[in-house]
Amino acid sequence: QSVLTQPPSVSAAPGQKVTISCSGSYSNIGRHYVSWYQQVPGTAPKLLIYEDIKRPSGIPDRFSGSKSGTSATLAITGLQTGDEADYYCGTWDSSLSGGHVVFGGGTRLTVL
Amino acid sequence: QVQLVESGGDLVKPGGSLRLSCAASGFTFSDYYMSWVRQAPGKGLEWVSYISNMGITTYYTDSVRGRFTISRDNARNSLSLQMNSLRAEDTAIYYCARDWARRSRGDAFEVWGLGTMVTVSS
Repeated sequence: QSVLTQPPSVSAAPGQKVTISCSGSYSNIGRHYVSWYQQVPGTAPKLLIYEDIKRPSGIPDRFSGSKSGTSATLAITGLQTGDEADYYCGTWDSSLSGGHVVFGGGTRLTVL
Repeated sequence: QVQLVESGGDLVKPGGSLRLSCAASGFTFSDYYMSWVRQAPGKGLEWVSYISNMGITTYYTDSVRGRFTISRDNARNSLSLQMNSLRAEDTAIYYCARDWARRSRGDAFEVWGLGTMVTVSS
């Protein structure tokens, strides 16, 4: 069981918008920044969002992050077939001995 | 260009040891915290360990603490993970990852290697 809870799958049509939720607790999302990663099967993860809302250089503004309380959301607008991938949220959790990075279980995005 | 290249993955018997390495290039290695993140076959991401930019502070996930040791050699731009008392559940692709923030723990990984496969089986 992951410390952060994500829906196993989401789907939407090309051009549409999709949101992926990430639910945690005060010791992780409630106190620390959230990051989001995209992983196409068979490849390494790619950072999409860090510090809740910031995008690394080269990440299009179709990808956006938000956070409220102990939940975070990744939104993807103008869906493309190339967006089909697994998406993970991550953050620090300070409830465990010394602190840990924790990830969500991942959400598989299907572009119909 | 900024690059991380892992090596050292192999098939090892339960109880055995293995040392993974990660060669960094294209950035000032000593400026960044580094981590190992693993992914078991068909499963999600699992963070394993973090080391501060000067190697003074380390963090481990509970399941590997006492068995794995992370270290770095800033003069050689190299990160390592010494893995002892390996178990079947340690079977995974192990990724070397660089933090996004310079000289602090940013808790987000901006640069990733391609990974190296560790299989623990008799």
